[in-house]
Amino acid sequence: AQKVTQAQTEISVVEKEDVTLDCVYETRDTTYYLFWYKQPPSGELVFLIRRNSFDEQNEISGRYSWNFQKSTSSFNFTITASQVVDSAVYFCALSEGSGNTGKLIFGQGTTLQVKP
Amino acid sequence: KAGVTQTPRYLIKTRGQQVTLSCSPISGHRSVSWYQQTPGQGLQFLFEYFSETQRNKGNFPGRFSGRQFSNSRSEMNVSTLELGDSALYLCASSLLAGGYNEQFFGPGTRLTVL
Repeated sequence: AQKVTQAQTEISVVEKEDVTLDCVYETRDTTYYLFWYKQPPSGELVFLIRRNSFDEQNEISGRYSWNFQKSTSSFNFTITASQVVDSAVYFCALSEGSGNTGKLIFGQGTTLQVKP
Repeated sequence: KAGVTQTPRYLIKTRGQQVTLSCSPISGHRSVSWYQQTPGQGLQFLFEYFSETQRNKGNFPGRFSGRQFSNSRSEMNVSTLELGDSALYLCASSLLAGGYNEQFFGPGTRLTVL
């Protein structure tokens, strides 16, 4: 069965600290897609990144970076020099069925609190 | 470009009633998916629609149904509401069907069942 595990329920950091959110996934598909979403208090899920299973290159976007390692089935997300505006719930998600269905399997989410 | 819109934003119903939620996808997007978010179960997939056809359905009882119109707008209906149906219902749109597409979410409809 496909599954996404975000072991960290809540993380609290002080502004400007770096923070890494962990995501471990399980799938038998050889082709799959991984996503990260941010959910601020307003409730809307904001798309951050998509990665397919054939692309293990790490990605950096401003203060955000992602580390994808198929060997450990992990897709971790790092925020460098965190800011108060980064406070939100972050979800890692996996596409089901080699991406042929629109179904995303979400982890339980990690609540990040960045204190000033 | 306008984002995904969902109406209403908040809804209070009583047990046994039925409810209809609406979702308008981003212009040009033809696929709409629905998710239920609760504190206990997290985010769970309800349905996926593409070109007015339901492509996939999650593990929910038959009280949950949906449809998509020719303009790609989608509605979901929950009949005979139960307390456990209280949740945030999120709609996501994507250009095409399939989980490999980026899905853009709306702000959700917060349903409270009393």
